[in-house]
Amino acid sequence: AQTVTQSQPEMSVQEAETVTLSCTYDTSENNYYLFWYKQPPSRQMILVIRQEAYKQQNATENRFSVNFQKAAKSFSLKISDSQLGDTAMYFCAFMNRYSGGSNYKLTFGKGTLLTVNP
Amino acid sequence: GAGVSQSPRYKVAKRGQDVALRCDPISGHVSLFWYQQALGQGPEFLTYFQNEAQLDKSGLPSDRFFAERPEGSVSTLKIQRTQQEDSAVYLCASSSGGGEGYTFGSGTRLTVV
Repeated sequence: AQTVTQSQPEMSVQEAETVTLSCTYDTSENNYYLFWYKQPPSRQMILVIRQEAYKQQNATENRFSVNFQKAAKSFSLKISDSQLGDTAMYFCAFMNRYSGGSNYKLTFGKGTLLTVNP
Repeated sequence: GAGVSQSPRYKVAKRGQDVALRCDPISGHVSLFWYQQALGQGPEFLTYFQNEAQLDKSGLPSDRFFAERPEGSVSTLKIQRTQQEDSAVYLCASSSGGGEGYTFGSGTRLTVV
C-alpha cells in the first residue's frame, strides 16, 4: 500500500514571495504519477501540477514547479510570486501508472494549509 | 456537462436517517470515484466505477454504505442509518481514464446530528 506524508500542517508566505511545500511518499512501485491538488474554501479539488515518475525532468506549470527526487521519494511544490488567490489547502497525491481498475485510485496526504499574506 | 456536479451541496441528517448523494460526472467519462474527506484530513477512497461496473468498493467503511451507477453515468452514494462518524465531505470525481488526473466536484457536506 502507498502512503503520502505532508509534514507541514500550515504555512504562510508574503505576497510575491516564494514558498515550498513538502511531500514524501512510500511505494514499492516503479511507475506512477504524482499530483498536487489545491482545495480552496469552495471545496473543489483543482489539479495544480502532475509528474510522471519515469520522467526525470521536473514538471512546471506557470508559477508552480516541483522538485521530484525519485530515489528519496520526495515531491515538493514550489510556488513562485505567491498571490492572494493561492491561499488554500494543498494536497499531494499518488497514483499507480498501470491502467485499469482501481490502479487509478488516488492516495492523498493530509494536506498543508497555505496562507498568502498581503 | 462542463464539470462534475454534485447534489445536494449540504445535507443535515438526523442520526439513523438514510441519505442519498448524487454525482453527475463529465459526459463520456468512463471512470467515477467517490471519496470521503473528514474535517482537516485528505480525501480517502471509497469506491470506483468503470462505466456501470463497480470494480472496487474496498474503501466503503461499512455495509451501511452503498453506491451505484446503473447506466454508467450518474452515480448515487447511499448511506443507511447515518451515524455521527459519517459526517464529512463526500467528493465525486470522474476521469476519461489514464493518469491525467481527475476532475472533482465540489462535494456534499454531510452533517449528522
